[in-house]
Amino acid sequence: AQTVTQSQPEMSVQEAETVTLSCTYDTSESNYYLFWYKQPPSRQMILVIRQEAYKQQNATENRFSVNFQKAAKSFSLKISDSQLGDTAMYFCAFMPNSGYALNFGKGTSLLVTP
Amino acid sequence: DTGVSQDPRHKITKRGQNVTFRCDPISEHNRLYWYRQTLGQGPEFLTYFQNEAQLEKSRLLSDRFSAERPKGSFSTLEIQRTEQGDSAMYLCASSLRDRLSNTGELFFGEGSRLTVL
Repeated sequence: AQTVTQSQPEMSVQEAETVTLSCTYDTSESNYYLFWYKQPPSRQMILVIRQEAYKQQNATENRFSVNFQKAAKSFSLKISDSQLGDTAMYFCAFMPNSGYALNFGKGTSLLVTP
Repeated sequence: DTGVSQDPRHKITKRGQNVTFRCDPISEHNRLYWYRQTLGQGPEFLTYFQNEAQLEKSRLLSDRFSAERPKGSFSTLEIQRTEQGDSAMYLCASSLRDRLSNTGELFFGEGSRLTVL
């Protein structure tokens, strides 16, 4: 069984600053995908960024980047130049390449303040 | 196509009643998922379909829960004899997974919130 752990229930950052959300996972699989999803208040969950485990290069999407440490089973999300619209729940998720469903962590609530 | 849609968005019911939720996935997506999310928790997997076949069900899905996806298009999730513990957000998601597209990305609907009194 795969487990995903997000150890920061809540975080706060000022607008324009940088924040890092942590995620660790446990698996015996060698090929898998990792994701960060964003869930704004009362809105649907959307994909922020994804990483294939076989790729050594860390994924980046504009202001969002990850630090993927496969040996440590760590997958943190860095948000640069934080914006008020980044306020949301952020979920880390894991899917084995041979699997079918995402396993989610409990989430981190991020508040961006002016 | 505007994405995954779910109906109703909110449902309030009395304990013991039956409820049904509908999900319309993105039209070309062959996989459809149901998740349950309670306050302060991440989504928990309930079941998934590949086309019309229900291929996996979580142990969270008791005998009171049934899901269908006739003809591999929309899906319904029915809860019979609802209990207060069924109160949650029920999320539907879809994805396309074939030889050419294997990103693993799920596209979510806005969810159907169930309150059992």
